[in-house]
This record gives sequence, structure tokens and C-alpha cells, in this order.
Amino acid sequence: DIQMTQSPSSLSASVGDRVTITCRASQGISNSLAWYQQKPGKAPKLLLYAASRLESGVPSRFSGSGSGTDYTLTISSLQPEDFATYYCQQYYSLWTFGQGTKVEIK
Amino acid sequence: QVQLQESGPGLVKPSQTLSLTCTVSGGSISSGGYYWSWIRQHPGKGLEWIGYIYYSGSTYYNPSLKSRVTISVDTSKNQFSLKLSSVTAADTAVYYCARTPAVAGHFDYWGQGTLVTVSS
Repeated sequence: DIQMTQSPSSLSASVGDRVTITCRASQGISNSLAWYQQKPGKAPKLLLYAASRLESGVPSRFSGSGSGTDYTLTISSLQPEDFATYYCQQYYSLWTFGQGTKVEIK
Repeated sequence: QVQLQESGPGLVKPSQTLSLTCTVSGGSISSGGYYWSWIRQHPGKGLEWIGYIYYSGSTYYNPSLKSRVTISVDTSKNQFSLKLSSVTAADTAVYYCARTPAVAGHFDYWGQGTLVTVSS
């Protein structure tokens, strides 16, 4: 199994802040990585796939980068609607998710 | 716009079989090109992929659940279903159905999720 480790597990930030979340795979996953946003009581929402491709309709303040085993989700200017939990997911070998990063209001 | 909707009992007794159905609208399962998956989320925890089915009926399951999982498809009703046998309290979770483009691996459409509690 490929294990996905996100860091940090939670963070506090203010509106307008630049936020970075990291996801590390236990082996190389060749950019086979997606990022999701989940709000309480809702299903996850796809933000990016193939490590850096923005899903249609997702604001451009969300971006992704990385290669090999290390990937990053960046929110360039945090908005009030961005407070949520974020998950990475690899699809290089079956499907596994990171444990999540909760973005809270500072 | 593709929509997925889970349905089934919200309460299942220990040792029994959990059964859920996902109804797809706005797109046809039989058109191919997509895997149709079940994913669960334990209360307050992360996400676990359970398995998928293709329109042809081919399946693939998470090895950790494989012995207890069956996923089937009914293309005439545009539905796919999950059966999880011999459930315990550890199977209490929100269960989601989701769609994956077969050429990729991300989940682009999700159902709203349904909470299944295992309790006597």
C-alpha cells in the first residue's frame, strides 16, 4: 500500500494569508495526485488532479505542485469560504488518501 | 450535470450485511469511461476507498476489505450497489459513492454521503 502523509494536521490562518499544505507519499507516484476540500457534513470536492491541474470552476487561488513523493497545495490568499479540511489522494496504485489538514480561522 | 445519490438503511445490526445503492443521474453508467466507486469516512476520520465497478461488471476491491465486499451494477436502472458482510461497530461510517475517469484516478463527482451505524 502507498501511504500518504499530510502536514500539518491542522493550521490556523487569517483571511488573506498564503497557506501551504504538504503531502508525502511512501513511494513515488508520478504526479498521480488529487486534492480535495471538505466542509462539515458535505462530500469532498475535487480541487486539483494530476498534481497541478485545476478542476473546472475552482478558483485560481488554489494551485498544486510537486513531483516524485512530495506534493504541495497552495492557497494564495485565503478566503472565508476556504476554511475546511483538505485531503490529498494518490491514484498511482489503487487509491489512498492522506489523513487531512484542517484549516481554521486564526 | 452528473449527480450521485446514495440510499439504504441507516442502521445495521452487528454480523449482518450492509447494503447501499447509488443512483446516477445526468450520465449513463453503461456509456463507459468511468469507474464507479464506494468510499467511506469513519466519524471524524479520513477517507477509505472500498472498491469500484466498471459498467461491464469488472470490479476491484481494497485488499483490506476484499473478503467482505461485493459491488454490483444494474445498468438498466443506472445504479450500482455495495454489500459489506459481517459488519461490526468499526464499519460505522459515512458511505459515499463517487465517479472516477478511467483514464485518470481522481474522484470528480461524489454523492452527498449516507451515515450507516452498526449497532444492536
